[in-house]
Amino acid sequence: QVVLTQSPSASASLGASVKLTCTLSSGHSRYNIAWHQQQAGKGPRYIMKVNSDGSHIEGEGIPDRFSGSSSGAERYLTISSLQSEDEAAYYCQTWDTGIRVFGGGTKLTVL
Amino acid sequence: EVQLVESGGGLVQPGGSLRLSCVASGFTFSTYAMSWARLAPGKGLEWVSVISDRGDKTYHADSVKGRFTISRDNSKNTLYLQMSSVRVEDTAVYYCAKEAGHYGGNTGGNLDYWGLGTPVTVSS
Repeated sequence: QVVLTQSPSASASLGASVKLTCTLSSGHSRYNIAWHQQQAGKGPRYIMKVNSDGSHIEGEGIPDRFSGSSSGAERYLTISSLQSEDEAAYYCQTWDTGIRVFGGGTKLTVL
Repeated sequence: EVQLVESGGGLVQPGGSLRLSCVASGFTFSTYAMSWARLAPGKGLEWVSVISDRGDKTYHADSVKGRFTISRDNSKNTLYLQMSSVRVEDTAVYYCAKEAGHYGGNTGGNLDYWGLGTPVTVSS
């Protein structure tokens, strides 16, 4: 079964950029993933789908400060020009027949 | 505008039952698979269940298999989660989410819209 691994925390300064990583388990490097943002006390928000070839499709209303990429078994979410409202937990998610899987999430702190 | 509105959460005793509902609008509900996911206190998101567009395929996480049942009524644009034999560890905010695909299979499994959630507390 596919497993997604994320660092528990990350931090970056206001106005800077940050790159979050999601690693697919061995044998699953061709899986596509999705990124979701969850601000404290709110429901999750879909950010984008990142395909294994690095192409990505943003969700509705997602600013172009958010971009996705891929390398091998790693999938990335880069947020540029960090704003205070970007402080949130970020989850990657993948899927197979009959199962959906979330990574453990990365808590992003904007300094 | 896509909207997903959950309801039915509350306080339930261990071993008890609860039925969650999610009313959908802003898209053709009957042509998309739907999922439930949850966020327990101090933990990360956990997928719970998925159902195909026509309701003929359902899948559940091992943690809830045999206790929870996902269903849908396409005539009412409503998704359900019947929770039975609940445990303290089922305490969480439960979210419904629209899938990008139709079948609950290995394509279109990205959850592209979410509700605001309904809280469930299991306690005696």
